[in-house]
Amino acid sequence: DIVMTQSPDSLAVSLGERATINCKSSQSVLYSSTNKNYLAWYQQKPGQPPKLLIYWASTRESGVPDRFSGSGSGTDFTLTISSLQAEDVAVYYCQQYYSTITFGQGTRLEI
Amino acid sequence: QVQLVQSGAEVKKPGASVKVSCKVSGYTVIELSMHWVRQAPGKGLEWMGGFDTEDDETIYAPKFQGRVTMTEDTTTDTAYMELSSLRSEDTAVYYCATGTPAFDYWGQGTLVTVSS
Repeated sequence: DIVMTQSPDSLAVSLGERATINCKSSQSVLYSSTNKNYLAWYQQKPGQPPKLLIYWASTRESGVPDRFSGSGSGTDFTLTISSLQAEDVAVYYCQQYYSTITFGQGTRLEI
Repeated sequence: QVQLVQSGAEVKKPGASVKVSCKVSGYTVIELSMHWVRQAPGKGLEWMGGFDTEDDETIYAPKFQGRVTMTEDTTTDTAYMELSSLRSEDTAVYYCATGTPAFDYWGQGTLVTVSS
């Protein structure tokens, strides 16, 4: 299985500031024939199911605010929230779907 | 628009089985690639298995192989996840989820509590 490791485990950011969450995979999730990274990001708030934010490492899901962006390739990826809003407090997970699906352990984002 | 509505909370004794349902609306269940993800209290997301469109078969995470069965009823557009030989560590919220390439639709979750 591909192991996904997120850093940090928790993060406190002031309102309006930038938040950066990292995700590293134990092997590349870049599929050469499609040149796509099989990597997604989710946001989960208490008592709710996860919400898809980003797929193909950098494609924003419809309706997701443009302050959320994804970057990276191969084994190293980043989710950036450009200007933190109060409603962004949540746990964030990366997920690879290159092979049998695995998730990162989650990063708790607080203000 | 896909909607996934799951069955209600369950309390089971160790060694028993549980079967969680996920009713699909907006699409038929065979049009979707359904997966199951669980989350133990205060813990992260754990993929249990789902339909692999490339191999056209249901695949299970090695951890659950032999103990989990995922099925679909096309007459009612309902997906099911049955987990057997339950132990306390199986206490979790179980979600059905679907989407391509990632999971953009999720059920509301079903809490399964395993306790003697």
